[in-house]
Amino acid sequence: GENVEQHPSTLSVQEGDSAVIKCTYSDSASNYFPWYKQELGKGPQLIIDIRSNVGEKKDQRIAVTLNKTAKHFSLHITETQPEDSAVYFCAANSYNSGGSNYKLTFGKGTLLTVNP
Amino acid sequence: EAGVTQFPSHSVIEKGQTVTLRCDPISGHDNLYWYRRVMGKEIKFLLHFVKESKQDESGMPNNRFLAERTGGTYSTLKVQPAELEDSGVYFCASSQTVGTQYFGPGTRLLVL
Repeated sequence: GENVEQHPSTLSVQEGDSAVIKCTYSDSASNYFPWYKQELGKGPQLIIDIRSNVGEKKDQRIAVTLNKTAKHFSLHITETQPEDSAVYFCAANSYNSGGSNYKLTFGKGTLLTVNP
Repeated sequence: EAGVTQFPSHSVIEKGQTVTLRCDPISGHDNLYWYRRVMGKEIKFLLHFVKESKQDESGMPNNRFLAERTGGTYSTLKVQPAELEDSGVYFCASSQTVGTQYFGPGTRLLVL
């Protein structure tokens, strides 16, 4: 089955700096890669996603890049703000034996702290 | 549009007791998922409903866990009898199609 590795586990940056979180996946059949932000006491909130037919996607200060050959995808946050502080999860969809690919496999998460 | 809702937000029970978690998906979403995050570990898939049918229950830990979605609307996840290792945060998510899954706030379960 799919395995997703996420690094780093913790990341501390100064306000205004950029933050990069990296993930690798194992199943070459995976074709959908979402990123979720989880604030304390809340559920994971989708912040950006990318499909395997695209190499990069950007939404204001957030961007995601995908390298299918290397099975690697990254989240980039520019001009970080204190409210960006949260746990970030990467995920990849994976296929079950029946051919369904709805299941998400998550990385272990990155605790991002943005210091004012 | 209301998001995914879950009830209760927290539950503290003793080992051997039964707990039932409820999830109300976003209206119109046929796909409903249950996930779990055990302390310090990744969020893990439990199962997937399409309407009232179980599409994939490969992540269910054992037969102490029973999920239902009668009528294809809300879903319940019952743990009976609960064990210490069942403690964690149980998330429900829903989606219209393959891709974007919207998560609820989770139920924090503590088994003592």
